Parts: sequence; C-alpha cells; structure tokens
Amino acid sequence: DAKTTQPTSMDCAEGRAANLPCNHSTISGNEYVYWYRQIHSQGPQYIIHGLKNNETNEMASLIITEDRKSSTLILPHATLRDTAVYYCIVSGANSGNTPLVFGKGTRLSVIA
Amino acid sequence: GAGVSQSPRYKVAKRGQDVALRCDPISGHVSLFWYQQALGQGPEFLTYFQNEAQLDKSGLPSDRFFAERPEGSVSTLKIQRTQQEDSAVYLCASSLGRVAFFGQGTRLTVV
Repeated sequence: DAKTTQPTSMDCAEGRAANLPCNHSTISGNEYVYWYRQIHSQGPQYIIHGLKNNETNEMASLIITEDRKSSTLILPHATLRDTAVYYCIVSGANSGNTPLVFGKGTRLSVIA
Repeated sequence: GAGVSQSPRYKVAKRGQDVALRCDPISGHVSLFWYQQALGQGPEFLTYFQNEAQLDKSGLPSDRFFAERPEGSVSTLKIQRTQQEDSAVYLCASSLGRVAFFGQGTRLTVV
C-alpha cells in the first residue's frame, strides 16, 4: 500500500501557484519524497524529489516539513498544460533499485 | 530518442491470444521496471530487472505473465492466453541512479 495520503482533486486558476499537499506520517529516516505527474494518456513524468531540505528545479518546488511527516509541491505559475494527476511517493534512498508504490494521486485541474 | 521507448503503443488482442510488449530503456540504465495501470488507478508494480537478472517478480498477477531482459537492455513482457482483466496500460521505467524515467506505455485491450 502507498505510504502517502493526498487529496483526490484540486482546482487552480491559470497563472496562480498550485500547492499540492501530501501526508507521509510513517516516513522512515532514509526515505525520500518523490513527486511524479501523469498527463492523460502519457507515462508518469518525474518532477522532483527530496530528503529533508526544500528543493527547487525548473518545474517546481518541494517544501518538506521539519518533522518530515508532510510535504507540499508548488507549481509557481500553473498553466493549462499542468493539468494532470500528481503522485507523491515515499521511497528508499536507493529508489533506483526499488519499485515505486503509487497511490491514487491528486487530480489537478488548471482552469483558464 | 533519449527517453524510454515502448512498442506497440496500442494493442488489441482477442481473448486467449498471446501478446508481447517491448521496452527500450534509456541507454546505460541498469534498472528496469514493469508496471500495470488499470483505468483510473495508479501504476502497480509487476517486475524488476537489474541488468539481465530478474530480481523481483512479486507483482506478476499470474503465471501467464512472463518478462525477460536477456542482454540487459531491451525487455519484453509477454502475456499468454490473454483475459479481459489483462486490459490495462503497461508501463516500463528505467533508472541508473535515484530517479526512474517512464515510457509512454502500451495500452492493451483484450476483446
């Protein structure tokens, strides 16, 4: 079973920041938080991952609470093309060798 | 291209037919994963290879499912005697380090 809890769906106005929450209260000390998204009829796309520090890349920012029991993915200026299902996944330090366990994710709808 | 490539993109099979789905991972990626995604659900793990060794096949739903990666590069997922419940998108992912990259998937429809 997935070790994360996410809202089923969210809406966001185009051009605004999209903040997607994720709870992972049972995360272990050596587990990372990964975010993927899946646009309709495509394979999952890697967005970002982190251990305990906040992370930022060209796609998004990841904010992890100090106790690591929850995190938020931030898309700073959402566009219609960001409409997708967003998956928050907790995985071991060597996740390249460990299968990802997907939950049902959050369906983000960006509205014009 | 530089990404994970899967073929065919779509496959329609008659019930009872055998099918073979192909995955070309990113060059040099040691790890390769297969997932099954039913409509409206998240992907579910099927099997994992490290080079040519199949290290985990705990997710394969039945002995009709078989995967191989004989030279540690291209992988094939074979489903024998397909059933309607096998209808799904089959995803392949490869990784070298900490991040796995996915292909577009093969949508299998069993009629």
